[in-house]
Parts: sequence; C-alpha cells; structure tokens
Amino acid sequence: GAVVSQHPSWVICKSGTSVKIECRSLDFQATTMFWYRQFPKQSLMLMATSNEGSKATYEQGVEKDKFLINHASLTLSTLTVTSAHPEDSSFYICSASVGGSYNEQFFGPGTRLTVL
Amino acid sequence: AQSVAQPEDQVNVAEGNPLTVKCTYSVSGNPYLFWYVQYPNRGLQFLLKYITGDNLVKGSYGFEAEFNKSQTSFHLKKPSALVSDSALYFCAVRALQTGANNLFFGTGTRLTVIP
Repeated sequence: GAVVSQHPSWVICKSGTSVKIECRSLDFQATTMFWYRQFPKQSLMLMATSNEGSKATYEQGVEKDKFLINHASLTLSTLTVTSAHPEDSSFYICSASVGGSYNEQFFGPGTRLTVL
Repeated sequence: AQSVAQPEDQVNVAEGNPLTVKCTYSVSGNPYLFWYVQYPNRGLQFLLKYITGDNLVKGSYGFEAEFNKSQTSFHLKKPSALVSDSALYFCAVRALQTGANNLFFGTGTRLTVIP
C-alpha cells in the first residue's frame, strides 16, 4: 500500500522558536496533502488542505500565519509552526491523497511536538 | 454539513467474543465511509472503506463493517476479538458529491480486549 512518512517523529523546542515538520509520500505522487492536529484523547482536527503548487486552504480558526504550509512537490509537504508556544504542543498528523474520484487518504505516523 | 458520531468512548470486550464499535453519520448525498485504527503514538492505519455496492465490507485484520443507509450507520465488527485489537478506532465520512476530499472524523472509540 501507499506509504507516507513524517519527520521528525517527535520534537521538543523552546517557546518562541519555529519548528518544521515534513510529510512525504514515498511510493506515490500525492496531489493533495492534509494536515491534522490531535489533542490527547480527542479526534483528528483538520487544519489545512494543500495542493501541490498552490496555497493551502485553512480550516476556520486555524491561523495561516502561524501554521505555514508548503507543498512544493507531489511528494513533499511541510508544516512550519512559527513562534511556537506551549499551547501548540500536540500530535500533528499528515495524510496524502492519490488522484481520482474515490481517492482515499494515507496517513503518516504523526509528529509529537512539545513546546517548553 | 457532514458529521460522524461514535457514541461510545470506550468498549470493553473479552478475548474471543465478538466486538462491535458503533458509528453513525450525517452527510448530504451519498457517503464515502472509512474505519481507521490508531495505536499509541502512531498515525492512523486504514481498516476498510465503503463507497458503493455490497453493504457488508470486509477489511484488514478480520474486521468488517455494515453500511445501513436507513439507519445512517456504519458499525465496525469482528467475530472474535484479539488482545492485539486493543486500540483507538475512528470512523470517518466524506461526501462523494463534494469536490473536496477531506474527511470528517468521529471522536474515536477506545477498544480494550480483556484476556
């Protein structure tokens, strides 16, 4: 099946710094990538949808200037958490979608971000 | 608007017994339904999906789900639970008619299989 990787798997940073998370589709070209956030014991919350070569579409309530998304190629999307604060600590999961009408999403293993 | 409800936060079942994890959905038009499983500190793993056709869908690891249009349900089932099935299960829906392919997730159900 289609494989999606994320790097890093976990990161600890100081408040005020920026953190970049990479999402790669390893064996397929992803026309669309999604970024989710998951709080403890809660469901996945869609943050944004990104299509290769175009600006990401952010969900209501998600600050686009804080969560910068770049989808530079069909196999790579990055999420940068700028000026991170402790409340940004969360589990971030990306998914990638193959083209087609019934395109399903393949999920990465997630990145645990802890902001001190 | 699309939404998914998983009415049970926690399901406990004895090993070897059948298990059911419930899911109901609300969507405009025909639904595209999924079940995913999540192990601790891991991403989501795909179990099965329903697009059209046979209402009983078979998926990975012996799981199956039954699409019931009249009850707008898509319950996950397995005839005989294993301890290794203990995990967090998410139901998700997408409306086929919309142009977007983003999924709406339920809040998850934690399944614990007791040895």
